[in-house]
Amino acid sequence: GQQLNQSPQSMFIQEGEDVSMNCTSSSIFNTWLWYKQDPGEGPVLLIALYKAGELTSNGRLTAQFGITRKDSFLNISASIPSDVGIYFCAGPGRTSGSRLTFGEGTQLTVNP
Amino acid sequence: EPEVTQTPSHQVTQMGQEVILRCVPISNHLYFYWYRQILGQKVEFLVSFYNNEISEKSEIFDDQFSVERPDGSNFTLKIRSTKLEDSAMYFCASRPTGGFGYTFGSGTRLTIV
Repeated sequence: GQQLNQSPQSMFIQEGEDVSMNCTSSSIFNTWLWYKQDPGEGPVLLIALYKAGELTSNGRLTAQFGITRKDSFLNISASIPSDVGIYFCAGPGRTSGSRLTFGEGTQLTVNP
Repeated sequence: EPEVTQTPSHQVTQMGQEVILRCVPISNHLYFYWYRQILGQKVEFLVSFYNNEISEKSEIFDDQFSVERPDGSNFTLKIRSTKLEDSAMYFCASRPTGGFGYTFGSGTRLTIV
């Protein structure tokens, strides 16, 4: 089945620093989604990317859909303590149900 | 902002018992999903449901599992003969037709003892 590889697995940064994480796949995805999960909560959609090469921003977050359609990255600028959480990339399959395949996640810790 | 509502938030069940997890998807959404997340691991797809039938299921979703939309608003996941390894967070999600605007619920933490 489709697999998404996320890196790094975890990051420890100081408040105010910029962060970058990425996601790669051995197969093509036509849509890339980035989610954040707070402890004890469900994933919340941050950014959706629909076109190869697309660069999309949502406040301090910027994500890009790789040209090959096999990778994507997420940047967070000027991190703040509430950015703490697990960030997942995800991609929908091409089946009728459009199941999402999730990456392993990047655990982000921001030290004040 | 519309929400996907899941109940209960926590469930502790004896091994071998049956459990029903409940979800109320967003009212104008037509696709419904159950996902599972074992502690410390990634979110895994279980099943998708559209037009009152299962449209896709994963290898995890075997005969132990079933889903139902008993009325116009609820969407349930039933797990029969629960095992210790069924302990996980179970997330319900829904999305409208077109686009991939999945909305996830806050999850049910299921603990099998």
